[in-house]
Amino acid sequence: GIQVEQSPPDLILQEGANSTLRCNFSDSVNNLQWFHQNPWGQLINLFYIPSGTKQNGRLSATTVATERYSLLYISSSQTTDSGVYFCAPSGTASKLTFGTGTRLQVTL
Amino acid sequence: DAGITQSPRYKITETGRQVTLMCHQTWSHSYMFWYRQDLGHGLRLIYYSAAADITDKGEVPDGYVVSRSKTENFPLTLESATRSQTSVYFCASSDLGRYQPQHFGDGTRLSIL
Repeated sequence: GIQVEQSPPDLILQEGANSTLRCNFSDSVNNLQWFHQNPWGQLINLFYIPSGTKQNGRLSATTVATERYSLLYISSSQTTDSGVYFCAPSGTASKLTFGTGTRLQVTL
Repeated sequence: DAGITQSPRYKITETGRQVTLMCHQTWSHSYMFWYRQDLGHGLRLIYYSAAADITDKGEVPDGYVVSRSKTENFPLTLESATRSQTSVYFCASSDLGRYQPQHFGDGTRLSIL
């Protein structure tokens, strides 16, 4: 199956700072999703982005499928951005493989 | 309310007992999934279903049984619980077709003593 590597594993930011999270995957994909798990454990779908770039407010994501990586950008971070960010690619339309995540802590 | 709900939210049971975790979605999504989340492993797929009466194994299916007699329900059963099955279990659903994101329930925290 697909191997997924996320970096960095942990990240501490001061409020207002920007960050880039990276996801490398081992095989070609036709499905890649980013999720945020908040401190209460809820998983929220951020992006469906098998290729190209998408933006949603302060968050944007870029996937370069030919080079097998995806990036999640967080700008002007807020404390509510804290939690764990998961990248989940798939070689099929449905079955996702999750990385082990990047744990983000945003401090005041 | 529309969405995906899991029950119970918390469950404590003993080794050897059978336990069933429930998942219900109101979107009429074709796909449903069960994951477990353990420290150091992220989320791992246990079973998934593409439609009613169609199920298939994921990465870690041993010790689990699923069924899907109705589109909206996808129960997960641990037939004889073991301590290694202590975990947080998430159910998810997505619609059929391209560009369909997965949406998750709030999870069930299961402890097996």
